[in-house]
Amino acid sequence: EAGVAQSPRYKIIEKRQSVAFWCNPISGHATLYWYQQILGQGPKLLIQFQNNGVVDDSQLPKDRFSAERLKGVDSTLKIQPAKLEDSAVYLCASSLDPRGGETQYFGPGTRLLVL
Amino acid sequence: AQTVTQSQPEMSVQEAETVTLSCTYDTSESDYYLFWYKQPPSRQMILVIRQEAYKQQNATENRFSVNFQKAAKSFSLKISDSQLGDAAMYFCAYSPSQSTASKLTFGTGTRLQVTL
Repeated sequence: EAGVAQSPRYKIIEKRQSVAFWCNPISGHATLYWYQQILGQGPKLLIQFQNNGVVDDSQLPKDRFSAERLKGVDSTLKIQPAKLEDSAVYLCASSLDPRGGETQYFGPGTRLLVL
Repeated sequence: AQTVTQSQPEMSVQEAETVTLSCTYDTSESDYYLFWYKQPPSRQMILVIRQEAYKQQNATENRFSVNFQKAAKSFSLKISDSQLGDAAMYFCAYSPSQSTASKLTFGTGTRLQVTL
């Protein structure tokens, strides 16, 4: 079974530029999560989708971050414009359903460096 | 809001020995889930073990076991017969038990080194 796929693996941009990350979850997984992992910290949830609807985006900086999952499968996360503090690893995860306790399967992440 | 605290930034263990990683959490909920995730240098996070708060029996997965103390809000991970492949960052995480709000709240992690 293929795991969660993410691209690109690495991205370097200058501040005020825009960037987009892509995630393809495990086939059949209805729930998709985007986490931000700043160096030295644990991952922090940015947004959770159930199919193509948003369940939780309370910690998403909506003035610069946006995310979509139009067909309920793959998802994109966009940052526009990027700030220095956005340098982090962006992790995508998926699970069969949104119930608490469900195993979340993580992708390899996209490492973003903002100069 | 729930918080998860890992007070050991780094730990070291010799191969074949046993090591315990500590985790405490804070929540006002009575039902929830606790997890230990492993993140090797390749960065792909992998579930190690899961504990349901309403179950008194401590979870066990092969060489990995937990000591869950609900009243003390403590959730430690014991790794027995440590192997070189156990070297990684270990994150303790909390999840509510609601039907839709399953986000994970992570601690800051403990880096485990395994020496020969």
